[in-house]
Amino acid sequence: DAGVTQSPTHLIKTRGQQVTLRCSPKSGHDTVSWYQQALGQGPQFIFQYYEEEERQRGNFPDRFSGHQFPNYSSELNVNALLLGDSALYLCASSFWGVYSPLHFGNGTRLTVT
Amino acid sequence: SQKIEQNSEALNIQEGKTATLTCNYTNYSPAYLQWYRQDPGRGPVFLLLIRENEKEKRKERLKVTFDTTLKQSLFHITASQPADSATYLCAPPRNNNNDMRFGAGTRLTVKP
Repeated sequence: DAGVTQSPTHLIKTRGQQVTLRCSPKSGHDTVSWYQQALGQGPQFIFQYYEEEERQRGNFPDRFSGHQFPNYSSELNVNALLLGDSALYLCASSFWGVYSPLHFGNGTRLTVT
Repeated sequence: SQKIEQNSEALNIQEGKTATLTCNYTNYSPAYLQWYRQDPGRGPVFLLLIRENEKEKRKERLKVTFDTTLKQSLFHITASQPADSATYLCAPPRNNNNDMRFGAGTRLTVKP
């Protein structure tokens, strides 16, 4: 039973460029959440997708957008990259509703130069 | 504003002792709270969930308490082992829709 898989594992981009990160949830899960984790910090909530709609959003600018597909997989898009966007981007899947633990992938390490 | 504070950035203890980690939250009213473990270069791994009507939850050597009056959760590891060395993250949901928000974490080091 595959867990959460993310691709790519590492990525280097230049300021101003756009990036797309991908996530396949754990089998059976229908909800995907994305987090940004800077070095030495806890994960910061970006947004949550369920039934192909954004359900909750954290304090991130509109440069951060996402999508969820009918097979529950998800993409995170970041436009007009800034140096400060350099971080580990984590995808987590769960069942929709409360009390469902998050299952995380090992993240995509994004470096913006 | 909403805040999640974990007691310290780092905690060093001797093998066999009990580690106690603290999570305080402000301007949240979570119906539940989760604790995760994160190893370097890896995603967090779920450990325990405690609901507001549960004062205490146990799993093997782990124990979590949840005091909604104090707005605090305590996480204990008894008989600690070097393999318990990791960063531990506290996570209440913001809107009780499983939109988990994380503290900065406490890095635990257990010395042999």
